[in-house]
Amino acid sequence: DAGITQSPRHKVTETGTPVTLRCHQTENHRYMYWYRQDPGHGLRLIHYSYGVKDTDKGEVSDGYSVSRSKTEDFLLTLESATSSQTSVYFCAISETQVGLDTQYFGPGTRLTVL
Amino acid sequence: AQKVTQAQTEISVVEKEDVTLDCVYETRDTTYYLFWYKQPPSGELVFLIRRNSFDEQNEISGRYSWNFQKSTSSFNFTITASQVVDSAVYFCALHYTGGFKTIFGAGTRLFVKA
Repeated sequence: DAGITQSPRHKVTETGTPVTLRCHQTENHRYMYWYRQDPGHGLRLIHYSYGVKDTDKGEVSDGYSVSRSKTEDFLLTLESATSSQTSVYFCAISETQVGLDTQYFGPGTRLTVL
Repeated sequence: AQKVTQAQTEISVVEKEDVTLDCVYETRDTTYYLFWYKQPPSGELVFLIRRNSFDEQNEISGRYSWNFQKSTSSFNFTITASQVVDSAVYFCALHYTGGFKTIFGAGTRLFVKA
């Protein structure tokens, strides 16, 4: 199993509160990703990183920001959480670009915004 | 437009039956990659297979087999002699090289009854 952990695993917060989710990997992989999973939508890419301090937006990036100051950590921040951000969030890693390599996923974080 | 369609929302079978999960994709790219992932009730995403657009060979792995047909833009997944442990949500995904994006289908929930 790929060494990917996510913290917290569950979180309940209130609308307007800032929230940070952490993804930690022990594989030294260059690429890291944040997805959200919602019923009927499968997984959708929020942001991704292709190296330390190198990040870019995915298809559903509004309301989210990310940071990567170390190879092993990729943080996802909801600056002011809204109920529409209630979801399950998955972190993924790949050694090279997806397609040339395979993405492996973390265990997920279930976030509820009240 | 890039798209992945898993038309079967839910499938229910009895143990030992064979079952095929359908995946139809759309892309204008000539180079692309297709994936299948399994999400058991515990919630993690498990990688099953990756196939590139130039390799139309079918693949078999134990009870699992995949049929890739570019002519019909399909990448179907068959489980032979299904078991209760196969109960999960299965996602088909497309990664196209024209953009840094992996598109997931909405998933097919498979119930295997004893």
